[in-house]
Amino acid sequence: ETGVTQTPRHLVMGMTNKKSLKCEQHLGHNAMYWYKQSAKKPLELMFVYNFKEQTENNSVPSRFSPECPNSSHLFLHLHTLQPEDSALYLCASSQDREGSYNEQFFGPGTRLTVL
Amino acid sequence: AQSVTQPDIHITVSEGASLELRCNYSYGATPYLFWYVQSPGQGLQLLLKYFSGDTLVQGIKGFEAEFKRSQSSFNLRKPSVHWSDAAEYFCAVNTNAGKSTFGDGTTLTVKP
Repeated sequence: ETGVTQTPRHLVMGMTNKKSLKCEQHLGHNAMYWYKQSAKKPLELMFVYNFKEQTENNSVPSRFSPECPNSSHLFLHLHTLQPEDSALYLCASSQDREGSYNEQFFGPGTRLTVL
Repeated sequence: AQSVTQPDIHITVSEGASLELRCNYSYGATPYLFWYVQSPGQGLQLLLKYFSGDTLVQGIKGFEAEFKRSQSSFNLRKPSVHWSDAAEYFCAVNTNAGKSTFGDGTTLTVKP
């Protein structure tokens, strides 16, 4: 595998379910990001990890819980979600958080539907 | 705080025609500018970036962009659009601390 991979690509869950999204980057990067992309809305940055430490949480509801066990893996644990949480969840990585010239490399996303 | 504006939500061009997508940014210091493309059902892919030097930068897939400091703009151009260019395009700016801000995106439709 190369680049940034995300699993699953599609997920349908009920409001009472617990599920997790997984992201893995094979680029040797140190920063990883979760974004939410809803229809007709701008890209929303949710969480940032830099060298495995969470550096940003942009007022994300506690029903979303990130985990970064190492610089290559990032998880988003989901529980008791709402229908409005249905969206495309994108993972990205970059060399590190502080590099102003660092572009982000994105995974293909997980299309989440909450029933 | 920095911001990015993409004035056009949706643009339609005919295949073979030229394309220009607009991007205006607001940032007090030297900006680091990027254009990304997102095909349906995919993540964002970097097209090109500008940090310094020549204000006309070349990217992948035949795209180029021109940085104009006086207009706070970084418009994306392509001389001849192909049907496969239909996608959503995002402009982004990084601060010198690495914080990224994305525009709302412009959806490009290509007519045959």
